[in-house]
Amino acid sequence: GENVEQHPSTLSVQEGDSAVIKCTYSDSASNYFPWYKQELGKRPQLIIDIRSNVGEKKDQRIAVTLNKTAKHFSLHITETQPEDSAVYFCAAYGGATNKLIFGTGTLLAVQP
Amino acid sequence: EPEVTQTPSHQVTQMGQEVILRCVPISNHLYFYWYRQILGQKVEFLVSFYNNEISEKSEIFDDQFSVERPDGSNFTLKIRSTKLEDSAMYFCASNQGGLSTGELFFGEGSRLTVL
Repeated sequence: GENVEQHPSTLSVQEGDSAVIKCTYSDSASNYFPWYKQELGKRPQLIIDIRSNVGEKKDQRIAVTLNKTAKHFSLHITETQPEDSAVYFCAAYGGATNKLIFGTGTLLAVQP
Repeated sequence: EPEVTQTPSHQVTQMGQEVILRCVPISNHLYFYWYRQILGQKVEFLVSFYNNEISEKSEIFDDQFSVERPDGSNFTLKIRSTKLEDSAMYFCASNQGGLSTGELFFGEGSRLTVL
């Protein structure tokens, strides 16, 4: 079945810097890759997603890139702000099963 | 904006007791899921449900777990005899037409504490 690895597990940046979180997946049939932001005690919130027919997608300060050949995708946050501090999860879906498999999460801390 | 609702928000139970967690998915959604998140860990898939039957389940979803859609709106997760390790946040989620075409919407979660 699908396996999703995520790095780093923790990331500390200064306000205004960029943050990059990377994920790899194992099932080459996967075709949908969402990113979720989870604040403490809250539900995961979708922040951006990408499907395998595109290589990059951008929404204001957030962008996701996908490399299907290498089976990895990344989240890029520019001009980070303290309110970006949260746990970020990548996920992958595709193939014969209708379920999302999540990565292990990255705790992002943006220092003011 | 329609959303997935879950009750209770927090339940405390004794080991060995039965627990039912309730979810009301978004009304025109057809695919329903339960996920579990142990404190500080990742979100883990438990079960998916479509067309009134389980379509897939994980190894976590053993005989102690069951799901049901008793009417046209509710989707429940039952744990027959709770164990300490069942303590976690349980998220219900729904999707309209399959993840090939749309996103997954999560409820606020039900925190289960087993003593």
